[in-house]
Amino acid sequence: AQSVTQPDARVTVSEGASLQLRCKYSYSATPYLFWYVQYPRQGLQLLLKYYSGDPVVQGVNSFEAEFSKSNSSFHLQKASVHWSDSAVYFCALSMNYNQGKLIFGQGTKLSIKP
Amino acid sequence: GPKVLQIPSHQIIDMGQMVTLNCDPVSNHLYFYWYKQILGQQMEFLVNFYNGKVMEKSKLFKDQFSVERPDGSYFTLKIQPTALEDSAVYFCASSFRNSDYTFGSGTRLLVI
Repeated sequence: AQSVTQPDARVTVSEGASLQLRCKYSYSATPYLFWYVQYPRQGLQLLLKYYSGDPVVQGVNSFEAEFSKSNSSFHLQKASVHWSDSAVYFCALSMNYNQGKLIFGQGTKLSIKP
Repeated sequence: GPKVLQIPSHQIIDMGQMVTLNCDPVSNHLYFYWYKQILGQQMEFLVNFYNGKVMEKSKLFKDQFSVERPDGSYFTLKIQPTALEDSAVYFCASSFRNSDYTFGSGTRLLVI
């Protein structure tokens, strides 16, 4: 069965430091992968997505992610975090390019230390 | 950008009663979804809907759940009767074709 795993429930980094949020997926075919951010009491906002091609994808607010088929991973990264990046981040997988349900990871709560 | 509106934002209801959650999707979107998020947990797919029909539903989509979008108005999720375990935040999402979902801010449902 398809699944997405985010091994870190909570991550704390200092403002200005670099960030990596981990995401591993399980799916036998080509996955379509997403990172979403959820601020308190809001819906999910898309940060970036990977469909095909260059395994490094750029997203909003200087986030990027790298797809690795060999490692079944899609880690999210940012060179320098800001306090406003504090939120919950969800990795998600879709099995259908045009349509289909999203399978979400458990989420990683990111806290930024001043 | 375009938004998905969910009404109400909060709902408290007695167990066994019926509740209808309303979603006003992005106007030109064709696919509609409901997801359920229990506090502190991941978001889980309930159902997707296209062209007036349920396309796929998960095992979370119990017999007490139903969805419809009469005459292009709100896309609704109805729970009848409600149970305590239905307490969660329900997110509506819509998309046009290319998996670029737009999510609403959620309806927080508390069944007491």
